[in-house]
Amino acid sequence: QKEVEQNSGPLSVPEGAIASLNCTYSDRGSQSFFWYRQYSGKSPELIMFIYSNGDKEDGRFTAQLNKASQYVSLLIRDSQPSDSATYLCAATLGMGGGNKLTFGTGTQLKVEL
Amino acid sequence: DGGITQSPKYLFRKEGQNVTLSCEQNLNHDAMYWYRQDPGQGLRLIYYSQIVNDFQKGDIAEGYSVSREKKESFPLTVTSAQKNPTAFYLCASRGNTEAFFGQGTRLTVV
Repeated sequence: QKEVEQNSGPLSVPEGAIASLNCTYSDRGSQSFFWYRQYSGKSPELIMFIYSNGDKEDGRFTAQLNKASQYVSLLIRDSQPSDSATYLCAATLGMGGGNKLTFGTGTQLKVEL
Repeated sequence: DGGITQSPKYLFRKEGQNVTLSCEQNLNHDAMYWYRQDPGQGLRLIYYSQIVNDFQKGDIAEGYSVSREKKESFPLTVTSAQKNPTAFYLCASRGNTEAFFGQGTRLTVV
């Protein structure tokens, strides 16, 4: 079982719709999570960090964490063609600066006109 | 200009040659990481370091070596023992609530 799992997609949504990206993790000790966006040929860009159960909003992005069910999701409201990219989920065991940072394989999102 | 800098952007290696990829950060982060990404694939962890003079192997450490003599620097050496080194190499540094990547180094064996 992979430590962090994501559906590879592609996930296709129409422009203006809500895109929902999901990530599950196997280690119950995982405490904090990151979401990144990666355009083809570029390095990942940080979108969100979350460590508490519940929702965290930043602009058009909302991260949702459910530690009991071991999943973290990212919602993108009012999706734009420029949101078309691969979205990576990462988990780490501790709140601090150390610990292994493990990534899922990413979900490809396509926002269609 | 704060951030994390990788160099060079492109690197060509001959068979049997060792090459070193540079990673420098001025974010005062303790933790630093090296990942490898192959086309259409996710990020695989090579090595990571939590503090100066300490580092741990990741999932694919064979054929690679690192050092962490300074907090700001975490260079990666791709040795001749790495049989398939052509890939996109990414360095990251992490604080308590953030983790940023450098621009990456694209390594090609010629």
